[in-house]
Amino acid sequence: SQQGEEDPQALSIQEGENATMNCSYKTSINNLQWYRQNSGRGLVHLILIRSNEREKHSGRLRVTLDTSKKSSSLLITASRAADTASYFCEKGGSEKLVFGKGTKLTVNP
Amino acid sequence: DGGITQSPKYLFRKEGQNVTLSCEQNLNHDAMYWYRQDPGQGLRLIYYSQIVNDFQKGDIAEGYSVSREKKESFPLTVTSAQKNPTAFYLCASSYLRGLANTGELFFGEGSRLTVL
Repeated sequence: SQQGEEDPQALSIQEGENATMNCSYKTSINNLQWYRQNSGRGLVHLILIRSNEREKHSGRLRVTLDTSKKSSSLLITASRAADTASYFCEKGGSEKLVFGKGTKLTVNP
Repeated sequence: DGGITQSPKYLFRKEGQNVTLSCEQNLNHDAMYWYRQDPGQGLRLIYYSQIVNDFQKGDIAEGYSVSREKKESFPLTVTSAQKNPTAFYLCASSYLRGLANTGELFFGEGSRLTVL
């Protein structure tokens, strides 16, 4: 299975701090995508990183990919209360798209 | 506006009844997916389809059935054989993955099924 795992499972920080969450996977990937889910809602795509990229930025989001370690990190800088959500990674499968259990981020005002 | 629509948002079912959850997309996506999410858990894949009239089982297909008669529609039936159907169900769609498309998933807002 290509299913990887996000860690930590839960993260609680203060507004203004940075939040880092990680995603590991088992087999080779073409790309890796991060999604966000607000409580009781559907997932929303945040950012994609391809296997030949090492780092990518989008606003306050920074994603890194280390293919040698089969892992990716999502960094949210200067967090806001509105960033409170669960974050999932999806490991670029061709057909059967699987997700881990996600990281639940709580940003306290 | 293009998007993916799930209905109903909330559904209650008595034990022993089949229920069907609707998923419609107007994004012209070839691939569609159904996921189940339990409280505090990740997404588990139930079924997926990459082309009309064809679909594949995911990791937890037992007790569920689907059809893909139209490109735009991928309904999920939760049958009485599903022993623990109370959950949040998410439908998603994407272009087929390949050199031209990364296959970003677009999700509906979910359907919450409660068995009484």
